[in-house]
This record gives sequence, C-alpha cells and structure tokens, in this order.
Amino acid sequence: QSVLTQPPSVSGTPGQGVTISCSGSTSNIRKNPVSWYQQLPGTAPKVLMYRDNRRPSGVPDRFSGSRSGTSASLAITGLQPEDEAQYYCATWDDSLNAWVFGGGTTVTVL
Amino acid sequence: EVQLLESGGGLVQPGGSLRLSCAASGFNFRNFAMSWVRQAPGKGLEWVSGLSHSGATPYYADSVRGRFTVSRDNSKNTLYLQMSGLRVEDTAIYYCAKCLSDYDSDGYGFDHWGQGTLVTASS
Repeated sequence: QSVLTQPPSVSGTPGQGVTISCSGSTSNIRKNPVSWYQQLPGTAPKVLMYRDNRRPSGVPDRFSGSRSGTSASLAITGLQPEDEAQYYCATWDDSLNAWVFGGGTTVTVL
Repeated sequence: EVQLLESGGGLVQPGGSLRLSCAASGFNFRNFAMSWVRQAPGKGLEWVSGLSHSGATPYYADSVRGRFTVSRDNSKNTLYLQMSGLRVEDTAIYYCAKCLSDYDSDGYGFDHWGQGTLVTASS
C-alpha cells in the first residue's frame, strides 16, 4: 500500500485530455511540493514536473501540474501515442522523514 | 551532460551483502542530495535511501533501516549503498537519482536518474 494514492489506470483517445490524481496527507502533499515521473517500459524514470508545476526543458507544455491541500494532479492535454507510459507522483513526508511515491498510473492511448 | 552510472548489482544469496556504486558526472556533485530508488519486477517505484549534499544527513525507508547504509565520497563524485542482510524481497533494479536540492527534505524532486543496476537475492 503506497502512502500516495493514484488511480491504477487512465485512458483517452489521441487529442483528448486526461488527468492523473495523487492523494496524500497533511504530512506530505499539504506541506511539500510534488514531482511527477514518466516511465516507459524497460527504461529509467524521467522527470516530467517538479516543485508542483515546473517543467524541465524538453517536456512538452501539454503536460501541467498542480497541488492543492492534500492532493496533486498531472494533466495531459492533446494526448499523443508516445504518452502511453507509467506515471508516478512523489513528495517528501515530514512524519516518515522519507520520500514517498504513488503506486503509479498506466496511461493508455486508445 | 549529467550522467549517473550505477554498478555493483548481481546475484546474492539471502542474508548476503552487496555494495552498489553510482558514479556521477556533468554537475557539481557536492552541491546536491542524492537518493537510491528501487523497482521490484513488475512493481512501482520505492524510495530506499537518501543523503544530503555533505553526507551528514542520511535517511532510510523503514524496509531497509538497520540493514542498508548510504554514503558518498564527494572527492570521487560517487554515491554508495552498502546492503547487508539481503532478503528475497530486496530483489529489484536499484536506481541512483540526483535531487534538485542539497537536502532531500526540501522535496523538490529528482531531475536525473541512472539506468539502474539489478540486485537479485535468491538461493
């Protein structure tokens, strides 16, 4: 059981928008920024978003992030076939003194 | 270009030990916290351990505390993970990840990851 809760899967057709939620608690998401990672099969994770809503260079602007209260979300607008991957949220937990990850969400492009 | 190269993985019997290394290049290693994150076969990401930029502040997941020790040598730009008392459930790919800050507790995230090294604990 992960400390952060994500839906196991979301799907959409090319061009549609999808949102992945990440639910935490007062000791993690309420207090600390959230980052998001994309992992393609057989590869290392890659950062998509850090400090809630900052995109590294090279990440398309159709990816956006937000945080409010004890939840965060990653939105993908204009879904592309290459977006099919596993996505993870992460943040620091002040009670555990540890990084915590969500269980991961599989994005499927129909 | 930032590069993180893990090494030291392999097959070990339950109860055995291994030391992983992560050689870093392309950035000022001594200025950033570093972490180890693992992924068991077919499972999600699990943070294992982190270390502040100076090496003075280590953190561990409950699942490895007391068995694993994280350290770094800033003169060699290398992060280490000494693993002892290995269990079957420690079998995973172990990734080295660079933090965006000098302390894990800032929670800024990880901006670079290595390709990982596979650790298999099995008899």
